[in-house]
Amino acid sequence: RKEVEQDPGPFNVPEGATVAFNCTYSNSASQSFFWYRQDCRKEPKLLMSVYSSGNEDGRFTAQLNRASQYISLLIRDSKLSDSATYLCVVNTGGSYIPTFGRGTSLIVHP
Amino acid sequence: EAGVTQSPTHLIKTRGQQATLRCSPISGHTSVYWYQQALGLGLQFLLWYDEGEERNRGNFPPRFSGRQFPNYSSELNVNALELEDSALYLCASKRGTDTQYFGPGTRLTVL
Repeated sequence: RKEVEQDPGPFNVPEGATVAFNCTYSNSASQSFFWYRQDCRKEPKLLMSVYSSGNEDGRFTAQLNRASQYISLLIRDSKLSDSATYLCVVNTGGSYIPTFGRGTSLIVHP
Repeated sequence: EAGVTQSPTHLIKTRGQQATLRCSPISGHTSVYWYQQALGLGLQFLLWYDEGEERNRGNFPPRFSGRQFPNYSSELNVNALELEDSALYLCASKRGTDTQYFGPGTRLTVL
């Protein structure tokens, strides 16, 4: 089983739709979690950290489920500009090496 | 505040040659990470430098090496280039346990 797994997609949704991605991790000692966004042929950029209690930033909501070992990202009212690949990142306690998922591709169409 | 910078933007080499990629971290960041992202694949961890020392390396052959300078900038060297080394090489910096910030990458093409 891979350390961090994501559905590669693509998720093809119309503008205004709500879409959710999940990311599962295998190491129960994982301590910190992040979502990054990567546009085509560009570098990944931090979208948001994921906190145990869940957190929201505008149209984006991140959740952590430690019992089932997954994190999720919910995007409401999708915009064309949300089209990108969303990378899940997991840090395991004691390790300074983050593990990246391969990403989930989102395509928002008019 | 200036972000992470990398040079060159693009690099074209032939098989067997050597490539040198450079990274300048955000001011105040002491850790530099190198990743390889081949087309269609995820980020693969290459090397981690902190305070001038190599702290960890990923599952790559020894022909991938690097160093970190006293000003915390870093260099990645790839010797005896192979076709499959063609990829986007990303550098990221961070301070302590904070999150990583990425540079724009160097796109290496091996012919």
